[in-house]
Order: sequence, then structure tokens, then C-alpha cells
Amino acid sequence: QKEVEQNSGPLSVPEGAIASLNCTYSDRVSQSFFWYRQYSGKSPELIMSIYSNGDKEDGRFTAQLNKASQYVSLLIRDSQPSDSATYLCAVISGTASKLTFGTGTRLQVTL
Amino acid sequence: DADVTQTPRNRITKTGKRIMLECSQTKGHDRMYWYRQDPGLGLRLIYYSFDVKDINKGEISDGYSVSRQAQAKFSLSLESAIPNQTALYFCATSSRQDNGYTFGSGTRLTVV
Repeated sequence: QKEVEQNSGPLSVPEGAIASLNCTYSDRVSQSFFWYRQYSGKSPELIMSIYSNGDKEDGRFTAQLNKASQYVSLLIRDSQPSDSATYLCAVISGTASKLTFGTGTRLQVTL
Repeated sequence: DADVTQTPRNRITKTGKRIMLECSQTKGHDRMYWYRQDPGLGLRLIYYSFDVKDINKGEISDGYSVSRQAQAKFSLSLESAIPNQTALYFCATSSRQDNGYTFGSGTRLTVV
């Protein structure tokens, strides 16, 4: 089992819709969770971090964490074509203090 | 200027050659990392360093070595490049207080 799993997609949503991106992780002691956005050929860019159960909102982005289910998600409201990118879920487990990344979900926002 | 600078941006090298990728940062972070990214495999950790005297192997360190010359500089060497080391390489930094990584722009390396 991979440590961090994401559906590779592509996930296609129409402009203005809500995009829902999901991630599961295997290490129950994981404490810190991150979402990165990566445009093709560019470096990953941190968009959200979440550390405790529940929702965290930042503009059009909402991260959701459920540690009991080992599940973290990212919602993008009012999706725009500029949101088309690969979204990477990343997790820090235990005291390792280093990120383990999922392989990413490619999001396509269509006009 | 970028907070995390990688050089070169692109490099084509021949099998068997030694090559060094360099990373420097102005964020004042103590932790630095080298990742490679391959299609379908995501980002995989090669080496990481939590301070100048601390170097640790990641999940795919074979064929690579690193040097932490200063808090702000962390270089990655391929001792004898081989074609399956063709990839996009990223340097990243973080601080003890904030685990969110800042990435450099990447080095696209092709070994022929």
C-alpha cells in the first residue's frame, strides 16, 4: 500500500463548479497535511495546510481532514480555468519531519 | 530574486559523466531537501539535511550524493550519470517552525 494515495485523474469539472480532490494516507500517526498545486513543468506551490480534524477555509479553497478515516480532501469552489493543474497531497508522519507526496490528481476545468 | 534558486535549469549530459546540481536559498530555513519527479511516480525524496552537519538518505539515494556547504547551500551530485536518472529535480526548504516546503524552480536533467 502506498503511503499517500490519490486518484491520478484527470478530474474534469465545468467552470464555476466545485472540484473535490481526495487523498488517503496509511500512517495513523501522521500529524501534518498539505496540498500543493503544480502547473505542468513548474514547481509545486503550497496552497493549504491542515493539522487538526475538520475544515479549514482559505478563499475558494477548503481543506478537510478526518484522521479516524485517514482521509484528507481539498475543495475548490467556483473553479476557474486557471485552476487546471495537478494537485499533490503531502503528509508528514510521526517525527520524521519530511513530506511524503502522493502522485497527484490532474484537474481540468472546462469552459 | 527567487527564495530558492536551482542551477542549472536544464542540462543534457552523457552516460558516465559526473554532474552537480546546485541549490541556494535566501529564506533562512535550516532544512533542505532534494526530490526527483518522474511521470506517474510523483516526487521521491533523494536526500535531506536538517542542518549543516546533518545529512540523511531518502528513499532513492543510490547513485547520488550531496553536500551541505552552508546553511543556504545544498548540492546534489550524480557520480556517474545513467539514463534512468533522467528526471525533473527539485530542491526544497523548510523551517523547524513551519513544515510547509518552498520549492525551487527545478532542474530538468537528461542523461543520454
